[in-house]
Formats: sequence, C-alpha cells, structure tokens
Amino acid sequence: AQTVTQSQPEMSVQEAETVTLSCTYDTSENNYYLFWYKQPPSRQMILVIRQEAYKQQNATENRFSVNFQKAAKSFSLKISDSQLGDTAMYFCAFIPVNTDKLIFGTGTRLQVFP
Amino acid sequence: DSGVTQTPKHLITATGQRVTLRCSPRSGDLSVYWYQQSLDQGLQFLIQYYNGEERAKGNILERFSAQQFPDLHSELNLSSLELGDSALYFCASSVEFSGANVLTFGAGSRLTVL
Repeated sequence: AQTVTQSQPEMSVQEAETVTLSCTYDTSENNYYLFWYKQPPSRQMILVIRQEAYKQQNATENRFSVNFQKAAKSFSLKISDSQLGDTAMYFCAFIPVNTDKLIFGTGTRLQVFP
Repeated sequence: DSGVTQTPKHLITATGQRVTLRCSPRSGDLSVYWYQQSLDQGLQFLIQYYNGEERAKGNILERFSAQQFPDLHSELNLSSLELGDSALYFCASSVEFSGANVLTFGAGSRLTVL
C-alpha cells in the first residue's frame, strides 16, 4: 500500500527562524509527484511546493524549499525566515504518475511565535 | 479565490437526513475530486470524475454517491447521515487526471450532523 507519514504532529518556531517539517512515503512506483499543502485556520488547502521524482534538483519557492531524498523516500519541507502567516497545518502528499489519487499524510500543525 | 466554488459553506443537519454538496470546478478543468477531512485528520480521497465519467473511487461509503454533470459541476450526495459523517468536504479540480496536474482545492463545505 502507498502511504505518507508525517511523524511530527506539532511543531513550533519563532518568527524569522527556520523550521523543517518531515515527511516519508512508501511506494514501489518509480515516477511520482510529491507536494506540500498548507491549511491555515481558514481551512483552505493551498499548494506550497511540488517536486517531481525524476528531477534531482530540490524544488524551491521563495522561503520554502524541500529536501528530496528519493532512495530514502523522504521529502522534508524547510521554511526559512518564518512568518506569523505561516501558522497552519501542513500536509505532505504523494501521487504516482498516471494515477488519480492524491494520498495525504496526517499533517503537522505549525505554530509560529512572535 | 482558487476558482473552485463549493456550496454550501456550512451545513447543519440531523442524523438520518440526506444532503447534497455542490462543486463548480475551475474554468477549463475537466477533473473533479472529492475529499473528506474529519476533525484534525488528513484528507481522505472519496471519488474522482473526469469529463462526466467516474475515474477513481476511494474510501467512499455506499451511503454516499456523486456525479459530474455535462457543465462539469459535480455533486456529492450523502444519505442516511450519521454523527461520524461530520467533516469538512473538499472538492478539487485539475485539467486532466494524472499526477502531473496540480489539484486546486475549493474552500470546503463543513457538514455538522447532530
């Protein structure tokens, strides 16, 4: 079965500091996509970053970057210069190419303190 | 505004009742997905439609059904409601149905069953 595991239910970080959220996944597929979604208190699901498994270069979007380790099936999210608006639930998600089901982890609740 | 419209935003009903949740996908998107998020849980995939046809089924109960209409909007019907059906129901859309396409989520419909 394909699964996504987020082992940190809650994390906290001080404003302007850096925090890393962990995600591991299990699959026998070789080609797939990985995502981080953010869910703020408004409950809207917002795409943060996407990584294609066949690309070795780690994806970066402004203050957000990933550390993708394909052999280890690890996909962590680093948030630099944390801002109060980064407070949210963060979900790691995975989908094999040519399939239809995006599989989510259980989420990490991130609190950014002033 | 993500471009995916879900109605109603909030719905309170009683056990045993039936409700319909509606989703209008983003303009140009042919694929619609339904997800269920119970309290403080990750998103569980329910069902997916592509251009009017069912493409994939997840952990959808027999009491639940969905369809996608010719104008591409979709409805999720929940019947014989139980307390455990209380959740946030998300609709998402994408251009096609492969993992290469990013899902855009609506704001969700919060269902409370009393």
